[in-house]
Amino acid sequence: RKEVEQDPGPFNVPEGATVAFNCTYSNSASQSFFWYRQDCRKEPKLLMSVYSSGNEDGRFTAQLNRASQYISLLIRDSKLSDSATYLCVARSGAGSYQLTFGKGTKLSVIP
Amino acid sequence: DAGVIQSPRHEVTEMGQEVTLRCKPISGHNSLFWYRQTMMRGLELLIYFNNNVPIDDSGMPEDRFSAKMPNASFSTLKIQPSEPRDSAVYFCASSYWTGGNTEAFFGQGTRLTVV
Repeated sequence: RKEVEQDPGPFNVPEGATVAFNCTYSNSASQSFFWYRQDCRKEPKLLMSVYSSGNEDGRFTAQLNRASQYISLLIRDSKLSDSATYLCVARSGAGSYQLTFGKGTKLSVIP
Repeated sequence: DAGVIQSPRHEVTEMGQEVTLRCKPISGHNSLFWYRQTMMRGLELLIYFNNNVPIDDSGMPEDRFSAKMPNASFSTLKIQPSEPRDSAVYFCASSYWTGGNTEAFFGQGTRLTVV
């Protein structure tokens, strides 16, 4: 079983829609969590960190449920420029900076 | 800063040849990572260095792969001999890790094709 699992999609949504991505992780010792964004044929870039209390950055909201080992990303009012692959990432336990990436969820926002 | 710099951007080589991928991390960063990305397996961590010392190389597929970091500003990933199944995009990333939520910055990647 892969340590970080995501629905690969693709998610095809119209502009202005709200879309949610889910992710589960298997390593209960994971300390930190992130969402990265990867555009086609480009490198991954950090979108946002995910905190236990949940956090919001503009149209993006990330949630963490440690009990269920579940992470989510909500995008409101989707823009064409949001089209990309969204990677869920977990960092291993204390003393380690090993980042484990999910395979990503592809989002296409349609005019 | 120019960011993480990888070279070459594209590499096409014949099976059995040696391939060397290069990475220059962001100045001042103390951690460096090599990842491999394929459609089938996604992003896989191959090896990571902290303060130029290899910390975890359990992701290195086999003895054909080796990585070095002779100083804080340069790292190489070598494949010898290369095989068609090594075809992938290889990313180098760096960060300044202090133990918390630290961003990893990726280079633009090297797209390797082994024919």
